[in-house]
Amino acid sequence: NAGVTQTPKFQVLKTGQSMTLQCAQDMNHNSMYWYRQDPGMGLRLIYYSASEGTTDKGEVPNGYNVSRLNKREFSLRLESAAPSQTSVYFCASSARRGPIAGNTIYFGEGSWLTVV
Amino acid sequence: SQKIEQNSEALNIQEGKTATLTCNYTNYSPAYLQWYRQDPGRGPVFLLLIRENEKEKRKERLKVTFDTTLKQSLFHITASQPADSATYLCALLPGSSNTGKLIFGQGTTLQVKP
Repeated sequence: NAGVTQTPKFQVLKTGQSMTLQCAQDMNHNSMYWYRQDPGMGLRLIYYSASEGTTDKGEVPNGYNVSRLNKREFSLRLESAAPSQTSVYFCASSARRGPIAGNTIYFGEGSWLTVV
Repeated sequence: SQKIEQNSEALNIQEGKTATLTCNYTNYSPAYLQWYRQDPGRGPVFLLLIRENEKEKRKERLKVTFDTTLKQSLFHITASQPADSATYLCALLPGSSNTGKLIFGQGTTLQVKP
């Protein structure tokens, strides 16, 4: 059981280049997320998708776009990379949304992105 | 402003002792609070959830308390082992949220020495 799989694991970009981080989950989860993690800042939500066909901005969406391709896949695109986007990116998924569900989030292993 | 804070200083304890990590929040009314473990180079892994109407939750050597008056959760690891060394993250779901979007603290690193 793979859980949440994200690629690539490591990437170095030049300022202004574009790239897409891919994410797929095999747990039949409805909700998917992209977080970034920076030293001293904790995990910050970039974008969120409650279900196939819907996306919503999180805390730090500027400079990013997302696509919920189907129920399994949720990609994150950097259109014009900037050094401030150097970070570790985590894709995650959960079965349901809302407080009643007790929304446990399952994370991927992370993608280390450096923009020079 | 809304904040969720964990002690940024690493916690160093001796094997066999109880580790206690703190998570404080301001200007939130959480529906529940969760704790995750994160090892270096890996993604966070869910450990425990405690709801707003629960005072305490246990799982094996782990115990979580939730005090909505103090706006604080404590995470305890009893009989700690070197294998417990990791970063521990707390996360809350704002009570007003219907989207499931968790807010995470920055994490506290625990080092258990043999």
